[in-house]
Amino acid sequence: DAKTTQPNSMESNEEEPVHLPCNHSTISGTDYIHWYRQLPSQGPEYVIHGLTSNVNNRMASLAIAEDRKSSTLILHRATLRDAAVYYCILRFYGGSQGNLIFGKGTKLSVKP
Amino acid sequence: NAGVTQTPKFQVLKTGQSMTLQCAQDMNHEYMSWYRQDPGMGLRLIHYSVGAGITDQGEVPNGYNVSRSTTEDFPLRLLSAAPSQTSVYFCASSSLEGNYGYTFGSGTRLTVV
Repeated sequence: DAKTTQPNSMESNEEEPVHLPCNHSTISGTDYIHWYRQLPSQGPEYVIHGLTSNVNNRMASLAIAEDRKSSTLILHRATLRDAAVYYCILRFYGGSQGNLIFGKGTKLSVKP
Repeated sequence: NAGVTQTPKFQVLKTGQSMTLQCAQDMNHEYMSWYRQDPGMGLRLIHYSVGAGITDQGEVPNGYNVSRSTTEDFPLRLLSAAPSQTSVYFCASSSLEGNYGYTFGSGTRLTVV
């Protein structure tokens, strides 16, 4: 499985933007870039995914490098509720190889 | 829309006991999977299924059995619980296509004493 590399932890101030980086230099053309987050004592929650183009949804934006070897999850205005572990995961395009393999993720702390 | 429902939320077992963790989804997803998460760690894949009647092993399958008789249900069985199986267990479901996200249940916290 293609691997991702994320910083262990990051800090942010409330109401400021947060850029969470992810490196995936061995990504293949059939891998989607998925982001999930896990709030304390909860199950993971889907945030966003993309293939080649930048993506926006109500939760976040995903910026994907042109060579697809890195991506950045952008939270436009961090709130205290955004404090969580964020996982960047590559998912094969489909079928039985589409398992999500979790790394340790980035623990985001948000200061008031 | 209930999403993914896991029961029970909490369970304490004695070593050697057996039990079944239940997982049900109402989104008609072909793909379902079970993960375990130990304290301070990421999630590790136990077993997964790509449709009724089809199951396969993940990273850490030993000590666990699964079956998939319907699209909706994917139970996880512990045949003889061991303290090393103390963990939080998450069930997830998804479309088989890679451009869909996973939906996770809220988890079952299992303690084996």
